[in-house]
Amino acid sequence: GAVVSQHPSRVICKSGTSVKIECRSLDFQATTMFWYRQFPKQSLMLMATSNEGSKATYEQGVEKDKFLINHASLTLSTLTVTSAHPEDSSFYICSARDMTGASPLHFGNGTRLTVT
Amino acid sequence: AQSVSQHNHHVILSEAASLELGCNYSYGGTVNLFWYVQYPGQHLQLLLKYFSGDPLVKGIKGFEAEFIKSKFSFNLRKPSVQWSDTAEYFCAVNADRNQGGKLIFGQGTELSVKP
Repeated sequence: GAVVSQHPSRVICKSGTSVKIECRSLDFQATTMFWYRQFPKQSLMLMATSNEGSKATYEQGVEKDKFLINHASLTLSTLTVTSAHPEDSSFYICSARDMTGASPLHFGNGTRLTVT
Repeated sequence: AQSVSQHNHHVILSEAASLELGCNYSYGGTVNLFWYVQYPGQHLQLLLKYFSGDPLVKGIKGFEAEFIKSKFSFNLRKPSVQWSDTAEYFCAVNADRNQGGKLIFGQGTELSVKP
């Protein structure tokens, strides 16, 4: 079945540095990918919608300059957390739907970001 | 604004007990509804979905859900739970057909099944 791969699965970085998270659709093409954030014991909150070849659409309250999204191809979207701070520590999850839009979303395994 | 509410934060059951997890959404138009499960240390997996047709939807692992439009509900059920059903369960709604995949998630319900 369709698989979405996220890398890295865990990352620890120092405050002030930037971290890039990759989301790849392995056996299908995804014109749209979604980035979610999940705090401990809480639900997933949609951060932004990543569209191949165009700018991402950010949800209200999400800083687009802090969370840079690039969807350069039909199989890859990246989320870069710039100038990370401890409060950015969280679990980031991407999801993708194939081009037909008929199938449900497929989720990546997530990335645990810890900012020290 | 669209929202999804799951009534139970944590449910504890013994094996073979019946399960029902509540999910209500707020949106007056046509919706697509989903239940996802997240086993400890794993990624989200789709349990079942409702797009249209028969409001009683059967999913994997013996789960089913019933869409009751008049109640804006999509409750998840399983007649007899197993220890392996211990996980976090999320209800989600997609009310924007033009942005297929933009899901609004409920708060999640943690299910603990005692052997």
